[in-house]
Amino acid sequence: QKEVEQDPGPLSVPEGAIVSLNCTYSNSAFQYFMWYRQYSRKGPELLMYTYSSGNKEDGRFTAQVDKSSKYISLFIRDSQPSDSATYLCAMSLYNAGNNRKLIWGLGTSLAVNP
Amino acid sequence: DTEVTQTPKHLVMGMTNKKSLKCEQHMGHRAMYWYKQKAKKPPELMFVYSYEKLSINESVPSRFSPECPNSSLLNLHLHALQPEDSALYLCASSQERGSYNEQFFGPGTRLTVL
Repeated sequence: QKEVEQDPGPLSVPEGAIVSLNCTYSNSAFQYFMWYRQYSRKGPELLMYTYSSGNKEDGRFTAQVDKSSKYISLFIRDSQPSDSATYLCAMSLYNAGNNRKLIWGLGTSLAVNP
Repeated sequence: DTEVTQTPKHLVMGMTNKKSLKCEQHMGHRAMYWYKQKAKKPPELMFVYSYEKLSINESVPSRFSPECPNSSLLNLHLHALQPEDSALYLCASSQERGSYNEQFFGPGTRLTVL
């Protein structure tokens, strides 16, 4: 079993839809949970990070962490064609030394159609 | 300046060539990273430098040789590569403060080994 599981998709939605992206993980020691967005032929860009459990909102994006279920989600409201990209979840342990090493999901490819 | 720059953007090399990839950041970050990313896969950590000292080497073959000449620069020297080393090579940097440090990624160098 991989430490982080993420459905690679592809996921195709119409413009304006609510998108839900998810990852599950097996290591209960993970404390930091991140969502990166990667456009084709570009480096990953951090969208949001959450420490421990709870929700975090930033504009059209909401990140949720449920540590009891070992499940994290990213919601995108009012999706736009410019949101078409690969979305990667990543996780790390607590302390500064160990959290340099990110454990990644495979990434979900999202296409938002006008 | 919140940018990580990488040169060259593209590189084609033969198996007997020696080449170098360069990465630069001016955000005052004290940790710098090399990742390798194959198509439809997440980034795979290769090396981490912290305060210009190599702190993580993920058992990378010796044909890849990292170098950190100062706190702003990171090089990856390549020699006798194999075709399977063709990939996107990403550089990232982060602060070394506290327990969470966001990794900022560059756009990558797309390497093709013939």
